[in-house]
Amino acid sequence: RKEVEQDPGPFNVPEGATVAFNCTYSNSASQSFFWYRQDCRKEPKLLMSVYSSGNEDGRFTAQLNRASQYISLLIRDSKLSDSATYLCVVTTSTGNQFYFGTGTSLTVIP
Amino acid sequence: DAGVIQSPRHEVTEMGQEVTLRCKPISGHNSLFWYRQTMMRGLELLIYFNNNVPIDDSGMPEDRFSAKMPNASFSTLKIQPSEPRDSAVYFCASSLSGLGSPLHFGNGTRLTVT
Repeated sequence: RKEVEQDPGPFNVPEGATVAFNCTYSNSASQSFFWYRQDCRKEPKLLMSVYSSGNEDGRFTAQLNRASQYISLLIRDSKLSDSATYLCVVTTSTGNQFYFGTGTSLTVIP
Repeated sequence: DAGVIQSPRHEVTEMGQEVTLRCKPISGHNSLFWYRQTMMRGLELLIYFNNNVPIDDSGMPEDRFSAKMPNASFSTLKIQPSEPRDSAVYFCASSLSGLGSPLHFGNGTRLTVT
């Protein structure tokens, strides 16, 4: 079983829409969680960490559900510039190793 | 602050040649990771170091691949001999090991083996 499972999409949404991505993880002892964004032909970049109580950064909201072992990312009021691949990342219990999902492709359409 | 620095940005080489990729992690980070990314296989962890010591190299494809970290500010990934199936983008990333510290990626090296 993969450490992290993620729906690859693609998600094609109109500008202004709200879109949500989920990611499940297999190790209940996982300690840290992140969402990364990767643009075409670029490196993955940290979008936001995911905290137990949930956290928000502008139009982006991340949530963690430890009981069901999933994390989510909600993007409100989608912009064209949000088009990218979004990768969820889960660490081991020590935080020393990182497991990546396969990424979810998002295209925001004018 | 300087991020993770990788060189070269692009490498085109012929099959059978030796390829060396270089990485300078963020100063103060004590974990370093080498990843490979292709369309078919996505992002794959090749090897990671903690305090300059290789911890997990189970992702290294075969003996043609080797990685070193002689000091805290430099690492190399070597492929010898290279093959066309090694064509990919190779990313180096570093972190401050411990809970809650994210990975920071370099710009990557795009390798093409003809």
